[in-house]
Amino acid sequence: AQRVTQPEKLLSVFKGAPVELKCNYSYSGSPELFWYVQYSRQRLQLLLRHISRESIKGFTADLNKGETSFHLKKPFAQEEDSAMYYCALRTGAGNKLTFGGGTRVLVKP
Amino acid sequence: NAGVTQTPKFQVLKTGQSMTLQCAQDMNHEYMSWYRQDPGMGLRLIHYSVGAGITDQGEVPNGYNVSRSTTEDFPLRLLSAAPSQTSVYFCASRAGTRYGYTFGSGTRLTVV
Repeated sequence: AQRVTQPEKLLSVFKGAPVELKCNYSYSGSPELFWYVQYSRQRLQLLLRHISRESIKGFTADLNKGETSFHLKKPFAQEEDSAMYYCALRTGAGNKLTFGGGTRVLVKP
Repeated sequence: NAGVTQTPKFQVLKTGQSMTLQCAQDMNHEYMSWYRQDPGMGLRLIHYSVGAGITDQGEVPNGYNVSRSTTEDFPLRLLSAAPSQTSVYFCASRAGTRYGYTFGSGTRLTVV
């Protein structure tokens, strides 16, 4: 069965410091991975898809199939990046998304 | 486009009561899903639909019922509310396998 693990529940960094959110997955097929962000009491918003290989709000993520990881990185964190971040895995049939437990990022001034 | 609209935003139920959480999207998306969000557990899939008339169970379907009579609407019914169903519920839709999900703003449900 598919599984997504986000080992850090909380990441606290200072403004301007790099931030990396870890995501590991287990899935025997070809994965499709996403990062979603949820600002305080708001809806989840799509941040990144591994297929698009784009940078959004300075964030990037690379799919590493060998390590089954999809870590999210930003070189210089901003206070507005404080939010909850979820890694998600889409698996074939049924178009289901499996979410990790989430990582709360707190960027301190 | 309103996107994905969920109603109500907040609800308090007594144990044993039933209710329906509404979800509507105006983007003509085929795929719709219901998730519940609990602290430390991320989002867990309750039920999903790949098109009108087609629904299936997700990871935590017990105590919930869904139907998809139109492309636009995907209501979630709580048959007999229990305190364990206290959660934030999100509805999401997606155009197809090449796209990400669009989420609603959520319904915060408390069962006392």
